Amino acid sequence: AQSVTQLDSQVPVFEEAPVELRCNYSSSVSVYLFWYVQYPNQGLQLLLKYLSGSTLVESINGFEAEFNKSQTSFHLRKPSVHISDTAEYFCAVSPLGAGGGADGLTFGKGTHLIIQP
Amino acid sequence: ETGVTQSPTHLIKTRGQQVTLRCSSQSGHNTVSWYQQALGQGPQFIFQYYREEENGRGNFPPRFSGLQFPNYSSELNVNALELDDSALYLCASSLELGLSYNEQFFGPGTRLTVL
Repeated sequence: AQSVTQLDSQVPVFEEAPVELRCNYSSSVSVYLFWYVQYPNQGLQLLLKYLSGSTLVESINGFEAEFNKSQTSFHLRKPSVHISDTAEYFCAVSPLGAGGGADGLTFGKGTHLIIQP
Repeated sequence: ETGVTQSPTHLIKTRGQQVTLRCSSQSGHNTVSWYQQALGQGPQFIFQYYREEENGRGNFPPRFSGLQFPNYSSELNVNALELDDSALYLCASSLELGLSYNEQFFGPGTRLTVL
């Protein structure tokens, strides 16, 4: 079984400041790692994923996350946030080989990123 | 390309009733998964359907059941509704190609309120 911990339920940050959203996971098997974003009244959108290879992954809108196997972490960072980044962010894992399929994705409780002008 | 759609958007039921939620997969996708997202929580996996059969299930009781149709659309049925069933129900579709990873695309969800 897998579990995901997002320690911060809310992170307030000023516009153009850097931000880090923390994610730690626990699993008895190797996992794929994901960050999803949920804007108000919308479904989840995949922000970025780690499947294999380079431990640093990037999204098209400036977010990046680094997989740290020894610390079982997959923290999300952005060097300069915008008002439009205000949303709920979810970290998720799925067992290797399942592809988020038959075993589903295991999500954390989410972090609400609040951008202050 | 049409994305994942869900209906209805909102629904109010009373305890003990039954409810059916519907999902249309993204064009070309053959797999659908359902998740329950309670207020302030992350989504929890209910089950997945592949080629009209249940392919995997999370920790949900049998009163949560589903169907997948030949056109790959899907239904989630919940019997004997309880107050704790109040949540946002998310549907996600993907294309199963026998690869190790298949990205899931989520719909906007159906918000169910049980009174």
